[in-house]
Amino acid sequence: RKEVEQDPGPFNVPEGATVAFNCTYSNSASQSFFWYRQDCRKEPKLLMSVYSSGNEDGRFTAQLNRASQYISLLIRDSKLSDSATYLCVVNRPYNTNAGKSTFGDGTTLTVKP
Amino acid sequence: GAVVSQHPSWVICKSGTSVKIECRSLDFQATTMFWYRQFPKQSLMLMATSNEGSKATYEQGVEKDKFLINHASLTLSTLTVTSAHPEDSSFYICSASNRQGLGEKLFFGSGTQLSVL
Repeated sequence: RKEVEQDPGPFNVPEGATVAFNCTYSNSASQSFFWYRQDCRKEPKLLMSVYSSGNEDGRFTAQLNRASQYISLLIRDSKLSDSATYLCVVNRPYNTNAGKSTFGDGTTLTVKP
Repeated sequence: GAVVSQHPSWVICKSGTSVKIECRSLDFQATTMFWYRQFPKQSLMLMATSNEGSKATYEQGVEKDKFLINHASLTLSTLTVTSAHPEDSSFYICSASNRQGLGEKLFFGSGTQLSVL
């Protein structure tokens, strides 16, 4: 089993649609969680951090469920510019020998007119 | 946010040559830098963790003698692909972390597309 697993996708949605991505992680000691966005042949860019209390940034809402080891990203009112690959990133604690970020394989979103 | 500069952006080289990629943190001290490789339509694969002033920690299956990493200062890490072959063609990305000031967020360089002929 992979340490971080995401919906395989791809997701093809019309403009204005609401789309949700899911991500699960296997290491219960994981400490911090992020969603990154990556455009083709570009570096990943931080979209938002994920907190247990949930956090919202405009049309984007992220949620963390530690008990279920599950992370989600909700995009409302999709725009064409939202088309990208979304990466779920889970960090192990830095006080472990393997303190590092683990990336999911990514979920590709295509928003169509 | 923090800025990480990576260059070159593109490298085309002949098989057997060595290629050096630089990663610099421009406005913070990066105690830790990470090097990734990404093949088309795949996610980032961590190659190694580079800590300033000490040897890099390589992930399983990554040849340390082929991918030389140097992190001589708090603002610069280099990855040298030695004796590159066509199968080394990939997108290489670095990222930097400052645990003290900027938490555990990663700040990425813009990536280097390596094509070995």
